[in-house]
Amino acid sequence: NAGVTQTPKFQVLKTGQSMTLQCAQDMNHEYMSWYRQDPGMGLRLIHYSVGAGITDQGEVPNGYNVSRSTTEDFPLRLLSAAPSQTSVYFCASSYRGGKLFFGSGTQLSVL
Amino acid sequence: GQQLNQSPQSMFIQEGEDVSMNCTSSSIFNTWLWYKQDPGEGPVLLIALYKAGELTSNGRLTAQFGITRKDSFLNISASIPSDVGIYFCAGADLTGRNYGQNFVFGPGTRLSVLP
Repeated sequence: NAGVTQTPKFQVLKTGQSMTLQCAQDMNHEYMSWYRQDPGMGLRLIHYSVGAGITDQGEVPNGYNVSRSTTEDFPLRLLSAAPSQTSVYFCASSYRGGKLFFGSGTQLSVL
Repeated sequence: GQQLNQSPQSMFIQEGEDVSMNCTSSSIFNTWLWYKQDPGEGPVLLIALYKAGELTSNGRLTAQFGITRKDSFLNISASIPSDVGIYFCAGADLTGRNYGQNFVFGPGTRLSVLP
């Protein structure tokens, strides 16, 4: 099992550009989520999904969209990148709560 | 939103020493998780706790679920250089179907081990 796979590892965008961060898991987990990590702060939840076709907002959803068409994939879309979205993004999955498994992260810089 | 406090924020210890860190919350949780994050990597789960008072070990690591359900503790015995990293706690209230939005993470304790 590869676990949770995120791509790309690094990305630089200009303000106003859009892009999609990819996340895939091969553990047949129902639950998937996206977090952002900023210096000195804990991980903050952006969006999450409890199953295919179901998504919901977390603590900091503005400027991000998600969809869950399959159990395996949960892409995060930045609609119009802003410097405030410079951060490290982590995708995580869980079978049914409790033990979250994280990907290795995407470091995003918005200039 | 909810906040977790972790202390200390950072610590420098000698190789071989024991380490203690804690995590506190103003809210009650029914699950506590401890993670370690190496530079450039995602957090890796170390220990999960599900019951107040529970004491669980994973090798040299021992974690406890506080009796008040508002805190948790992590101890590392006989530290080694590969223990270096950031340790995060997370509290969760895993009830109902919307368990996903109930994870709250602390800001982390940065551990440095001096040879």
